[in-house]
Amino acid sequence: EDKVVQSPLSLVVHEGDTVTLNCSYEVTNFRSLLWYKQEKKAPTFLFMLTSSGIEKKSGRLSSILDKKELFSILNITATQTGDSAIYLCAWGSGTYKYIFGTGTRLKVLA
Amino acid sequence: EPEVTQTPSHQVTQMGQEVILRCVPISNHLYFYWYRQILGQKVEFLVSFYNNEISEKSEIFDDQFSVERPDGSNFTLKIRSTKLEDSAMYFCASSEHSRYFGPGTRLTVT
Repeated sequence: EDKVVQSPLSLVVHEGDTVTLNCSYEVTNFRSLLWYKQEKKAPTFLFMLTSSGIEKKSGRLSSILDKKELFSILNITATQTGDSAIYLCAWGSGTYKYIFGTGTRLKVLA
Repeated sequence: EPEVTQTPSHQVTQMGQEVILRCVPISNHLYFYWYRQILGQKVEFLVSFYNNEISEKSEIFDDQFSVERPDGSNFTLKIRSTKLEDSAMYFCASSEHSRYFGPGTRLTVT
């Protein structure tokens, strides 16, 4: 059965800290890895990764994928209170099927 | 930026009733998805849809569920005989890699 595990489950940091969120998977027929941010309602897209070792960056956020070791990380530098949210990763397997992890709840204190 | 819309935002129904949840995906997208999220739990894949047919479906998507693209713009999820455990947020997403989520429909089954 396909499985996605995120760690830590929750994290409390202070503004300005750097955080690393982890996502590991056991998914057959890998296609892509997606990262989302979920605040009050719907997930909003952050990154899509398909190739190992290529870092994707957007402002203070970056992500990288390791297909050999079966994990991905999401880094957030210089955290702000607006980064407080649940961060979700989802692994694409088979033909357009995405398996989500349980998420990491990040709280950034002022 | 174009967005996915969903109606209604909240639906309350009695156990055993049928509900139809509606989504209007982004106009030039060809891939559509339905997910659900039970309160406090992870996002769960239900079904993906491409070229007017189901691409993949999860174990959750049993005979109680069906999807349709009735008129070339709407994308619907029908739940035939609702159960208490169907209470959840239902999200529609569009684009090939499930990038754009709609705001969700909160379904409450009483």
